[in-house]
Amino acid sequence: GESVGLHLPTLSVQEGDNSIINCAYSNSASDYFIWYKQESGKGPQFIIDIRSNMDKRQGQRVTVLLNKTVKHLSLQIAATQPGDSAVYFCAENSGNTPLVFGKGTRLSVIA
Amino acid sequence: DGGITQSPKYLFRKEGQNVTLSCEQNLNHDAMYWYRQDPGQGLRLIYYSQIVNDFQKGDIAEGYSVSREKKESFPLTVTSAQKNPTAFYLCASSISSGGSVIQYFGAGTRLSVL
Repeated sequence: GESVGLHLPTLSVQEGDNSIINCAYSNSASDYFIWYKQESGKGPQFIIDIRSNMDKRQGQRVTVLLNKTVKHLSLQIAATQPGDSAVYFCAENSGNTPLVFGKGTRLSVIA
Repeated sequence: DGGITQSPKYLFRKEGQNVTLSCEQNLNHDAMYWYRQDPGQGLRLIYYSQIVNDFQKGDIAEGYSVSREKKESFPLTVTSAQKNPTAFYLCASSISSGGSVIQYFGAGTRLSVL
């Protein structure tokens, strides 16, 4: 069936380095993608989103890249800080359907 | 202070008991959602509601029930038919359902079985 998944379940980065979290999706009809950050014991927080008519979108210290050809989405975090340690989820939908979430990647920042 | 409020934060269920998780939003959002999250897992959709007095089953609706009598409220009942209810339950809302809309989440309710 259609699914959203992640290449790496865990990622450890040195403080100050850039982080890249990847996500693969299989639904070619998906037209909206979103990244969430979830800290332990809390609900997911919106980070950034992108529509399928774009291939890049930048926020504060974060960039989302979308490659529709290979159905790949990535989240780049610049100058990673200890406060960035969390689980990151990608999600997608198409048309009038609820978001479908991937399993998540745990980002650990080494001070 | 606007947002989504889930209560209680922690809940314990005895065997054979139904329990209800509360979700209230003051964002004037039309759509509301319930997700279940197991340790180290992603979010799985239980039920969602696009409008008052209407709701649809998600991927794992068995053993759960919901109501949407008011726009602000979308309570979830975990029934005795749900044999493995221990999980973190997340409520979300969005201005409309589907499409390019952001879902905003509450802080969650952690349900355990006694």
